[in-house]
Amino acid sequence: GENVEQHPSTLSVQEGDSAVIKCTYSDSASNYFPWYKQELGKRPQLIIDIRSNVGEKKDQRIAVTLNKTAKHFSLHITETQPEDSAVYFCAASRGFGNEKLTFGTGTRLTIIP
Amino acid sequence: DTAVSQTPKYLVTQMGNDKSIKCEQNLGHDTMYWYKQDSKKFLKIMFSYNNKELIINETVPNRFSPKSPDKAHLNLHINSLELGDSAVYFCASSHGLQQYFGPGTRLTVT
Repeated sequence: GENVEQHPSTLSVQEGDSAVIKCTYSDSASNYFPWYKQELGKRPQLIIDIRSNVGEKKDQRIAVTLNKTAKHFSLHITETQPEDSAVYFCAASRGFGNEKLTFGTGTRLTIIP
Repeated sequence: DTAVSQTPKYLVTQMGNDKSIKCEQNLGHDTMYWYKQDSKKFLKIMFSYNNKELIINETVPNRFSPKSPDKAHLNLHINSLELGDSAVYFCASSHGLQQYFGPGTRLTVT
């Protein structure tokens, strides 16, 4: 089955700087890659996703890049703010409706004011 | 914002008891899921239903039994609770690729 590895497990960034979280996946048939943000005690919330037919997608301060050949994808957060502090999860699936998501192990991002 | 809701939010019970968690979504989605998040925050799929039909059944002890009375509801019944069942259980729903999570049920088994 699919295996998703995520690095780093913790990341501290000065406010205003950029943060990058990286994931690799094992199943070459995976073609849907969402990112979730989970604040303390809250539900995971979908913040951005990408399908394998595009290499990059951007939404304001967050962007995701995908390298399908190397089987890795990354989340980039620019101009970080204190409210970006949370645990971020990457995930992968084969991209059909009803497909299960396989999650990475999470990155705890702390923004230092 | 009650798109995907779960009850109860907290559940504290003793080993050996049987308990249920309920989930409801008002998004009109066809597919619903149960995930387990352990103490290390790892999120793992347990079950998935599409239009009341079980389509994903991961390696989960058969003490866990999901039930979907209709496509807007998915319940999880757990028999003979064990200490290792302590976790946060999230329900999610989807129509297409994007999955939306409920607020979670924190289950503590003592």
